[in-house]
Amino acid sequence: AQSVTQLGSHVSVSEGALVLLRCNYSSSVPPYLFWYVQYPNQGLQLLLKYTTGATLVKGINGFEAEFKKSETSFHLTKPSAHMSDAAEYFCAVTSSGGYQKVTFGIGTKLQVIP
Amino acid sequence: DGGITQSPKYLFRKEGQNVTLSCEQNLNHDAMYWYRQDPGQGLRLIYYSQIVNDFQKGDIAEGYSVSREKKESFPLTVTSAQKNPTAFYLCASSTPPTGMNTEAFFGQGTRLTVV
Repeated sequence: AQSVTQLGSHVSVSEGALVLLRCNYSSSVPPYLFWYVQYPNQGLQLLLKYTTGATLVKGINGFEAEFKKSETSFHLTKPSAHMSDAAEYFCAVTSSGGYQKVTFGIGTKLQVIP
Repeated sequence: DGGITQSPKYLFRKEGQNVTLSCEQNLNHDAMYWYRQDPGQGLRLIYYSQIVNDFQKGDIAEGYSVSREKKESFPLTVTSAQKNPTAFYLCASSTPPTGMNTEAFFGQGTRLTVV
């Protein structure tokens, strides 16, 4: 069985501050991990993904995430928040092929304060 | 431009009525998916299809039906048997699920409200 836990359904940061969105996963086999972003009333857009190889993954819009097997974590970070980063972010995990097997977290809403 | 088109963006339905949500893609993807999104619950899989004329139930298929007569199209019908249909529905597609070195592309969603 696999699962993903996103700590904090709402996170607020000041513009220019570090963004840290937490994601912990559970998987009995090596996982594939994803972060998606969703703007209001829009679909999901892939920010970044970890499959194999380098554990530090860089994505779009200046975001990156580090796969830490020992901590079963895949936290999303961005050094400096921008107003346009305000959105909902979803962490997702799968341990096998096909998106029918992907498990999504409940999402974290990021608020950026000017 | 290639992508996934969901229509309509907003849909209102009276209780007891069936309603069909449209999803069309021109990405030449074999696999297509329907998810339901509720606040605080993330995305839950309703149905998926890996090939034309074949589809499988997801985690919450009760009260829903789908068809896959064409590669480009994967419509979702919300039937009167669905007890709580008010939600945001997302359609997605991906290249053949032979591994996760692919990504799913999502449509813009349809917000269904039962009145």
